[in-house]
Amino acid sequence: NAGVTQTPKFRVLKTGQSMTLLCAQDMNHEYMYWYRQDPGMGLRLIHYSVGEGTTAKGEVPDGYNVSRLKKQNFLLGLESAAPSQTSVYFCASSYFGETQYFGPGTRLLVL
Amino acid sequence: GEDVEQSLFLSVREGDSSVINCTYTDSSSTYLYWYKQEPGAGLQLLTYIFSNMDMKQDQRLTVLLNKKDKHLSLRIADTQTGDSAIYFCAERPGGSYIPTFGRGTSLIVHP
Repeated sequence: NAGVTQTPKFRVLKTGQSMTLLCAQDMNHEYMYWYRQDPGMGLRLIHYSVGEGTTAKGEVPDGYNVSRLKKQNFLLGLESAAPSQTSVYFCASSYFGETQYFGPGTRLLVL
Repeated sequence: GEDVEQSLFLSVREGDSSVINCTYTDSSSTYLYWYKQEPGAGLQLLTYIFSNMDMKQDQRLTVLLNKKDKHLSLRIADTQTGDSAIYFCAERPGGSYIPTFGRGTSLIVHP
């Protein structure tokens, strides 16, 4: 099993550009999550999904959209990137909300 | 409300024991977790404890839970340089599938 994978590993964007971060898991988990990690801020939940076709807002959802068209994939979109979205993005998954398994992260720099 | 507090830094000498502390506020918590994040990587689950337990031991790791004071600690025996990382405490309140993470404690192990 590959576990939780994230694509891309690193990306540089210009302000106003758009991009999609892909998260994939092969553990048949129902729940998936997107977090951002900033220095001194810990992990902050952006959006999450409790099953295929469902999404919900987390603590810091503004400027992001998500989709869960397939159970194994959870996409995070930035429609118009801003420098404040420079961060490390982590995807996680769990069976039904208990132990989370994290991906390796995507480092995003918005200039 | 939910809040998880940790000290930001801990420095220990190689071979000594490390104790990382965490306090939480939700009295209905059922699961309490410790995650480890090595540089440039995602979070990896180290151990977890149910709220009806006082202690859990796993090789060099000992978790102590004081429910009265809502205090959780992680003790690492015989700390090695490979233990240098950020350690996150997390709680998952009863009936919720969204854990709350602390801001992480950076453990620095020096010779």
